[in-house]
Amino acid sequence: AAGVIQSPRHLIKEKRETATLKCYPIPRHDTVYWYQQGPGQDPQFLISFYEKMQSDKGSIPDRFSAQQFSDYHSELNMSSLELGDSALYFCASSLIAGGWYTQYFGPGTRLTVL
Amino acid sequence: DQQVKQNSPSLSVQEGRISILNCDYTNSMFDYFLWYKKYPAEGPTFLISISSIKDKNEDGRFTVFLNKSAKHLSLHIVPSQPGDSAVYFCAPSEPAYMKTSYDKVIFGPGTSLSVIP
Repeated sequence: AAGVIQSPRHLIKEKRETATLKCYPIPRHDTVYWYQQGPGQDPQFLISFYEKMQSDKGSIPDRFSAQQFSDYHSELNMSSLELGDSALYFCASSLIAGGWYTQYFGPGTRLTVL
Repeated sequence: DQQVKQNSPSLSVQEGRISILNCDYTNSMFDYFLWYKKYPAEGPTFLISISSIKDKNEDGRFTVFLNKSAKHLSLHIVPSQPGDSAVYFCAPSEPAYMKTSYDKVIFGPGTSLSVIP
């Protein structure tokens, strides 16, 4: 079965540069979530989109923005990168139908800021 | 205010025996519960779920029990295998039509399971 795809899997950037992470949800899923897991930390929710509209926002820095496109893929844009942005970034998708839904996670993108 | 608690940070079990992971919650609006398994540096993997209209759901070696009155659920793994060694997260959800903040997965520290060969 198709899973959530994230690209790139690894990314190395310098401080103050920008980065774009991409997420391709499971086909027919209508909701995308972004999570950040810093070293030694639990994954933290950043932001989510339902039917291309932002549905919830967590601890996402103002330097980050995200959107969901018409094909339901999502991009997380990160500007003015800081050393503390080095983390694993997970994307998850779900289908909001039938009252209950399950989030399926991608393999993650490891971002390293030097 | 933690609405989900997994009070055992770690658990060691002998291969072949039963692993029991516990989860307590406080929000009575939660009506759907998921368990995820996570290896270091990998994305969480969905294991099993249960809705509030059931008290038990079984899938192979994994069984989840829900006690709504006690706001408690548990995950049983029988028999435990070394490949089950990972961190397990209990993730509650509110009804989809509410679309409030709990449609996202709230990760706590989870329970780190070690299955000893």
